[in-house]
Amino acid sequence: NAGVTQTPKFRILKIGQSMTLQCTQDMNHNYMYWYRQDPGMGLKLIYYSVGAGITDKGEVPNGYNVSRSTTEDFPLRLELAAPSQTSVYFCASSPSELSRNAQYFGPGTRLTVL
Amino acid sequence: DQQVKQNSPSLSVQEGRISILNCDYTNSMFDYFLWYKKYPAEGPTFLISISSIKDKNEDGRFTVFLNKSAKHLSLHIVPSQPGDSAVYFCAASEISGTGNQFYFGTGTSLTVIP
Repeated sequence: NAGVTQTPKFRILKIGQSMTLQCTQDMNHNYMYWYRQDPGMGLKLIYYSVGAGITDKGEVPNGYNVSRSTTEDFPLRLELAAPSQTSVYFCASSPSELSRNAQYFGPGTRLTVL
Repeated sequence: DQQVKQNSPSLSVQEGRISILNCDYTNSMFDYFLWYKKYPAEGPTFLISISSIKDKNEDGRFTVFLNKSAKHLSLHIVPSQPGDSAVYFCAASEISGTGNQFYFGTGTSLTVIP
């Protein structure tokens, strides 16, 4: 299993541009998450999904959108990028809520908005 | 509002000695706690967890202690090894009808000196 994969690894955007961060997991996990980590800070939850077709906002959803059309994929869309969105983005997945399993994280995407 | 706090940004320990990493939380509804380890340029990886019905959980060299009355948990690593040098995040969650959200601390960077 590849686990959780994220693309791209690095990206530089200009203010106002848009992009999609890709996340794929091959563990057949129902739950998927998007976090951002700013320097010196903990991970903040942006959006999460409990299954295909179901998504919900986390702590910091403004400026982002997500979709979950399949169990495997959970892309994060940035519209009108702003410098405040400069961060490292982590995607994660877990089998289910009830088992309270730990999350499996991808390697991250480092995004800079100039 | 940081619900999970790690007040020590960094910690240095000699190889073979004990490392103690601390974490405090404010939400009394949190009932499940985890520790993650993160190397540079990688995503966090799960280390150990504890449910609020327990006050201690061990896994090899790693032990997590939970003091619910003080809203405090700690991670003990004995003996510390150079390969343990990484950033450690604690995370907490509560069972919620809206899904399984985890709240992360800001991390403690552990350096184990050979």
